[in-house]
Amino acid sequence: DIVMTQSPDSLAVSLGERATINCKSSQSVLYSSNNKNYLVWYQQKPGQPPKLLIYWASTRESGVPDRFSGSGSGTDFTLTISSLQAEDVAVYYCQQYYSSPITFGQGTRLEIK
Amino acid sequence: EVQLVESGGDLVQPGGSLRLSCTASGFTFSSYWMYWVRQAPGKGLVWVSRINGDGTTINYADSVEGRFTISRDNAKNTLYLQMNSLSAEDTAVYYCARTNYFFDYWGQGTLVTVSS
Repeated sequence: DIVMTQSPDSLAVSLGERATINCKSSQSVLYSSNNKNYLVWYQQKPGQPPKLLIYWASTRESGVPDRFSGSGSGTDFTLTISSLQAEDVAVYYCQQYYSSPITFGQGTRLEIK
Repeated sequence: EVQLVESGGDLVQPGGSLRLSCTASGFTFSSYWMYWVRQAPGKGLVWVSRINGDGTTINYADSVEGRFTISRDNAKNTLYLQMNSLSAEDTAVYYCARTNYFFDYWGQGTLVTVSS
């Protein structure tokens, strides 16, 4: 199984500042035949199901604010929130869908400083 | 509008059984792989089981293999999870999720609590 490791486990950022969450996979999730990274980011607020933010490592889901961006390739990925808003307080998960079983990172809790 | 609505969660004693349902609407249900993903209280997301569109390919996490059974009724647009021999470690919110490579839609979840 591919192990997904996020860092940090928790993060406190001031409103309007940048937040950066990292995700590392134990093996590459880049599929060479189509040059796509099989990596997705979800946001989960308390009492709610996860919400799709970013797929193919860097494609923003429709309706997701453009302050959210994803980057990286191979085994190292980053979710960046360019200017933190109060509504961004949540737990963020990365997940690989390169191989079965799909696996999630342990989550990163984002709070306001 | 795509909707997934889970039901069937409850308080059950250790060793007991429960059947969860997930009713889908707003898309061609039979065209999609469907998953059950669970989240223990205060913990992360873990996949439980998956089934392809026509129900011919099924997989389970090791932790539930032999105890849980996933199925679907495409005529009723419904996904099921039969859970037997439940233990405290199965206590979690259970989500059904539609797969389009990744999980593009999730239900609201149904809570299963295993306790005496």
